[in-house]
Amino acid sequence: DGGITQSPKYLFRKEGQNVTLSCEQNLNHDAMYWYRQDPGQGLRLIYYSQIVNDFQKGDIAEGYSVSREKKESFPLTVTSAQKNPTAFYLCASRTTSGAYEQYFGPGTRLTVT
Amino acid sequence: AQSVTQLDSQVPVFEEAPVELRCNYSSSVSVYLFWYVQYPNQGLQLLLKYLSGSTLVKGINGFEAEFNKSQTSFHLRKPSVHISDTAEYFCAVRGSQGNLIFGKGTKLSVKP
Repeated sequence: DGGITQSPKYLFRKEGQNVTLSCEQNLNHDAMYWYRQDPGQGLRLIYYSQIVNDFQKGDIAEGYSVSREKKESFPLTVTSAQKNPTAFYLCASRTTSGAYEQYFGPGTRLTVT
Repeated sequence: AQSVTQLDSQVPVFEEAPVELRCNYSSSVSVYLFWYVQYPNQGLQLLLKYLSGSTLVKGINGFEAEFNKSQTSFHLRKPSVHISDTAEYFCAVRGSQGNLIFGKGTKLSVKP
């Protein structure tokens, strides 16, 4: 059964700690994306990757880092430099040919206190 | 630069009534438009998409949308809503890097 998995569903951290959010897909998609969702703000692009070992900053990359060592995996690290990290984080993927729609994972809700 | 404006942040409606969720876009490149639905604490699910061809697009769960180039709109409609349609709906346009640029969302609340 193909899809995107994100773990954990809920994550709690203390201020000042780095935290890594997992995103795995078995759809054989080349491109992967990380979005941040805040109430009333829609989704904003953090980072994206169109191929293994390459990624680009999105609109709100400050305080975040990513890696793309495998096609299936695109983990996001929320660093202590991110000033307001509490949010709902969504990972997505798509093929790079033909259809343009993105498929989303179930999301991770991060709470930093 | 591309952008999306969803004109209503909240839309309350009674069950079995029709509904229209409004979306306007701005794009300087070829236009590809999408509507997604999000249920509480879940990811986004694609409702429908417009890539080319017929301007009336039918999607899942009885939803449809009409692409209007002259008015730069892509409004979502359903002739009769159900309680289960209560969710947040996002309109999006494809960006130049294959990413999606989202509107801020419209919360549809269906009341019995």
